Amino acid sequence: DVKVTQSSRYLVKRTGEKVFLECVQDMDHENMFWYRQDPGLGLRLIYFSYDVKMKEKGDIPEGYSVSREKKERFSLILESASTNQTSMYLCATARAGSYNEQFFGPGTRLTVL
Amino acid sequence: AQSVTQPDIHITVSEGASLELRCNYSYGATPYLFWYVQSPGQGLQLLLKYFSGDTLVQGIKGFEAEFKRSQSSFNLRKPSVHWSDAAEYFCAAAPRSNDYKLSFGAGTTVTVRA
Repeated sequence: DVKVTQSSRYLVKRTGEKVFLECVQDMDHENMFWYRQDPGLGLRLIYFSYDVKMKEKGDIPEGYSVSREKKERFSLILESASTNQTSMYLCATARAGSYNEQFFGPGTRLTVL
Repeated sequence: AQSVTQPDIHITVSEGASLELRCNYSYGATPYLFWYVQSPGQGLQLLLKYFSGDTLVQGIKGFEAEFKRSQSSFNLRKPSVHWSDAAEYFCAAAPRSNDYKLSFGAGTTVTVRA
């Protein structure tokens, strides 16, 4: 089974802080994704990575950056956290050529005060 | 624009009763289709998927979904709901190409009453 882990389940940060969310997968999947989930909006894609050091913007990249230095690890960075970034953040992975069947981590609920 | 719509925000069903969750998609060509379930405080778990072939798809936890091209729909069903089925359900779609994007509906929350 694919295992996708996220560094924290709950996180509380202050406005202006730099925030790192980490995602690690153990199935050698090429593709990794970061989503945010808000009530009534479903999941929205922030960034996507298809290989080490490669990234593409999703639908809502503003205020976020990402890093993928190793195949199994994909980090989401909030350079200067703001209250409107309070949300649930979900990491997902997919094997290349797998019809976009994605496997999700448990999520990190981030609160920015 | 490509989109996925789940018309029902919230559904309440009695334990043992049947459940049907609606999903409609708007794509130029038939996309790959998925249903995910999210239990409270958890990530998303894949229930079932449709790529091609038989339009009635069986999934885990006793769920099935029917693809209807004429209605651009992919509705999820379960004949007899258990209390543990209380969760949020997401329909998702991806284009039949190398495009990585998976588009999600807004979700339907299912409450199960005893």
